Amino acid sequence: LAKTTQPISMDSYEGQEVNITCSHNNIATNDYITWYQQFPSQGPRFIIQGYKTKVTNEVASLFIPADRKSSTLSLPRVSLSDTAVYYCLVGSYSGAGSYQLTFGKGTKLSVIP
Amino acid sequence: ETGVTQTPRHLVMGMTNKKSLKCEQHLGHNAMYWYKQSAKKPLELMFVYSLEERVENNSVPSRFSPECPNSSHLFLHLHTLQPEDSALYLCASSQVGTSGGDEQFFGPGTRLTVL
Repeated sequence: LAKTTQPISMDSYEGQEVNITCSHNNIATNDYITWYQQFPSQGPRFIIQGYKTKVTNEVASLFIPADRKSSTLSLPRVSLSDTAVYYCLVGSYSGAGSYQLTFGKGTKLSVIP
Repeated sequence: ETGVTQTPRHLVMGMTNKKSLKCEQHLGHNAMYWYKQSAKKPLELMFVYSLEERVENNSVPSRFSPECPNSSHLFLHLHTLQPEDSALYLCASSQVGTSGGDEQFFGPGTRLTVL
C-alpha cells in the first residue's frame, strides 16, 4: 500500500499562492494521485488528479516530478473560503478486484485575512 | 435528488442495537465505497463494491456488514458496536474502468455516536 505524508497544517494570507506537498515514496506504477478538499461536517470534494508532469484545472494545479515520489498541489490566490483540510490520495483500480486507496492525514490550511 | 445522498445524517445507538446506514447515488456510477472518519485520523476505506465485486479492508471488524443490492444503493449494517466506532461514516461513488484513477463523489456522511 502506498503511504502518504503531508504537513499537518499550513497558514497563508489571502491572495497568496499556496503549495502543499505530499510524499508517496512507495507509489506503484498504476497509481494515480488525487487531491480532495474537505470542509467540517462535509464529505471530501475532488480537486484535481494526475499521473505525471503537470495538470491544471480551473481551481488548482498539480505538479508531479518524474520519479512520482511526491506531488505538489498549488492553489493560486487563496481566499478565506479555501480554509479546509486537503487530502492527498494515492491509489488505483488494479482491474483485479483489489483497491489500494490510502488517504494521507490531511493538511489543514488556514487562510488569514 | 442529485449526487450522493446518505441517511440518516445523525444516529445515536446503544451497543446492543442493530441499525443500518443507507447511501444512494444518482450519478450512474459503477462503484460505491464506505469510509470511516474518526477524529484526528485519516480517512479509512472500509468496503468497495465495484463492477459487482466486493473488496473489503481486512482490518474492519465483522460488526460492520455491507450490502449492495444494486449499483445505486449501498447499506452498512451495524450490530453490537463499540463506543470507539463512533465516527463520521462517508459513502462515495465513482465510475471506474479497467485501470487507472477515478474521481470519487462523496456524500455528506452519517455522524454515528455509540453509547
